[in-house]
Amino acid sequence: DAGVIQSPRHEVTEMGQEVTLRCKPISGHNSLFWYRQTMMRGLELLIYFNNNVPIDDSGMPEDRFSAKMPNASFSTLKIQPSEPRDSAVYFCASSAGTGTYGYTFGSGTRLTVV
Amino acid sequence: AQSVTQLGSHVSVSEGALVLLRCNYSSSVPPYLFWYVQYPNQGLQLLLKYTSAATLVKGINGFEAEFKKSETSFHLTKPSAHMSDAAEYFCAVSDDIEGGGADGLTFGKGTHLIIQP
Repeated sequence: DAGVIQSPRHEVTEMGQEVTLRCKPISGHNSLFWYRQTMMRGLELLIYFNNNVPIDDSGMPEDRFSAKMPNASFSTLKIQPSEPRDSAVYFCASSAGTGTYGYTFGSGTRLTVV
Repeated sequence: AQSVTQLGSHVSVSEGALVLLRCNYSSSVPPYLFWYVQYPNQGLQLLLKYTSAATLVKGINGFEAEFKKSETSFHLTKPSAHMSDAAEYFCAVSDDIEGGGADGLTFGKGTHLIIQP
């Protein structure tokens, strides 16, 4: 199993540009989570999906952020327009479905907005 | 609402010494509790989890944690620290007991473990 795969690993973009982060969860996992990690705020849950359906997006900071999961093997997190304060490491994680399993995290995407 | 408090943003121990990382939780229902480790420039890796079975949980790399309901604690320990244990450690809580769908984990702020040679 290749684990949770995120791309790109690093992204540097200019303020105002659109950024799309991608995630491929582990096959068979039916829950997917997007987290953001910063020094100031630690790990924050942005949104999570169960069976490709968004369940809770209350952690999405602004309307500039959107996430989709068109099928069980792919999800995107989009920021449009990006701002310097969006700079962070964004993690995707997947789970087999219940709280007892814990989550498998991807290696993250380090986003820098200049 | 559930929450996690990790006492000490940085903990420094000597190689070979006992490692103790503290975690206290708040949950309105019996919780599921987790410890994750994050090495530099990597994602989080599950160390161990408590899911209402045995209160003493053994994980990978020689770590273990004990669930104490009376103290609402889930402290992480390792008898003898190794240089390779230097990393960020996160405690997390979930109160999902329904099954069939996973709620998001609530993470603590993390504890940076420093190992002195």
